[in-house]
Amino acid sequence: DGGITQSPKYLFRKEGQNVTLSCEQNLNHDAMYWYRQDPGQGLRLIYYSQIVNDFQKGDIAEGYSVSREKKESFPLTVTSAQKNPTAFYLCASSIGGGPADTQYFGPGTRLTVL
Amino acid sequence: EDKVVQSPLSLVVHEGDTVTLNCSYEVTNFRSLLWYKQEKKAPTFLFMLTSSGIEKKSGRLSSILDKKELSSILNITATQTGDSAIYLCAVRKGFQKLVFGTGTRLLVSP
Repeated sequence: DGGITQSPKYLFRKEGQNVTLSCEQNLNHDAMYWYRQDPGQGLRLIYYSQIVNDFQKGDIAEGYSVSREKKESFPLTVTSAQKNPTAFYLCASSIGGGPADTQYFGPGTRLTVL
Repeated sequence: EDKVVQSPLSLVVHEGDTVTLNCSYEVTNFRSLLWYKQEKKAPTFLFMLTSSGIEKKSGRLSSILDKKELSSILNITATQTGDSAIYLCAVRKGFQKLVFGTGTRLLVSP
């Protein structure tokens, strides 16, 4: 089955802890993205990567970090510096570039800080 | 500042009704406009619009872009309870970035 998987589905974190959210795709897509979704707000871009070993900050990168060591994987670390991390996190991927490029989303991870 | 505004914020209709969802945008370096449906978790892709005035259609759903008015509409005819979802509008700017609206929450009652 081709698609995007995210794990875990639900994650609870104590204040002051770093946590890493997993995102894997087997669609052979070059580009991958991380978004955050809060109630009443649109999706906001955290980081994106157009190619392996390269990534750029999105609109709300503070308190987050990423890596792109493999084409299939784009993990997101939520650090203790992120002031309000409770949210729904969505990973997406796309072929990359071109006028018809479309982003496809994974099922998401809901992070709650206790 | 880039902005995508959707209206209404929420909507309740009866099965069989026709609905029109609106999306307006102020985004620099516009490339395309996308519609997604989000039922529980992952948004699923519906349409991508790049040219003004050309309607895209899929079953009971259709969408059109008006670049002069900087807006798009999504129409759903003969609504069903399975159409209940949040509908997201996003504008692609430049190479990769999508700017999302807050979404319209649609509830179709039987």
